Amino acid sequence: ILNVEQSPQSLHVQEGDSTNFTCSFPSSNFYALHWYRWETAKSPEALFVMTLNGDEKKKGRISATLNTKEGYSYLYIKGSQPEDSATYLCAFRGLYKYIFGTGTRLKVLA
Amino acid sequence: NAGVTQTPKFQVLKTGQSMTLQCAQDMNHEYMSWYRQDPGMGLRLIHYSVGAGITDQGEVPNGYNVSRSTTEDFPLRLLSAAPSQTSVYFCASSYSSSGPNTGELFFGEGSRLTVL
Repeated sequence: ILNVEQSPQSLHVQEGDSTNFTCSFPSSNFYALHWYRWETAKSPEALFVMTLNGDEKKKGRISATLNTKEGYSYLYIKGSQPEDSATYLCAFRGLYKYIFGTGTRLKVLA
Repeated sequence: NAGVTQTPKFQVLKTGQSMTLQCAQDMNHEYMSWYRQDPGMGLRLIHYSVGAGITDQGEVPNGYNVSRSTTEDFPLRLLSAAPSQTSVYFCASSYSSSGPNTGELFFGEGSRLTVL
């Protein structure tokens, strides 16, 4: 059974703080690692799709890195804002199946 | 731009009843999938399809059926509802089911199902 783990489960930070989350996943049968942002009462929306070892992607203040050999990815948020409050999901893609972690719930306090 | 549309948004069933959750996408996506979301468990894959006429099981397929007669539609059927199927269900689709540079999932808004 493939397991995708995310840490921490939840996080409270002050506005302006930088923060990061971890996603660990199996290193075999790897096709891609996805990050999704999930706001309350909405649907998950993709942030990044990463496929190559060493990949780094950036969107505004949010960036992510990928290490497929050791099976982990980091998501970084620089200068957190209240609108960054959401659950951040990672998903391991093995060909046709996506295995999701349980998410990191971020609350940014103004 | 409709994207992925799920219906109904809310449903209450009695144990033993059957029902179908509808999912339609207008993006010509090959890949479609159903997930359930339970507290503390994250999104778990129920069934998926890589194209019309092709379906396969995910992590938690028991008690659910799917079919894919068209590219656009991927309904999820509960054959005989049980309280353990109380959950929020999400349909998701993507452009391609193979190839490392594709596969971003587009989600519907979710369907909250309660089985009494």
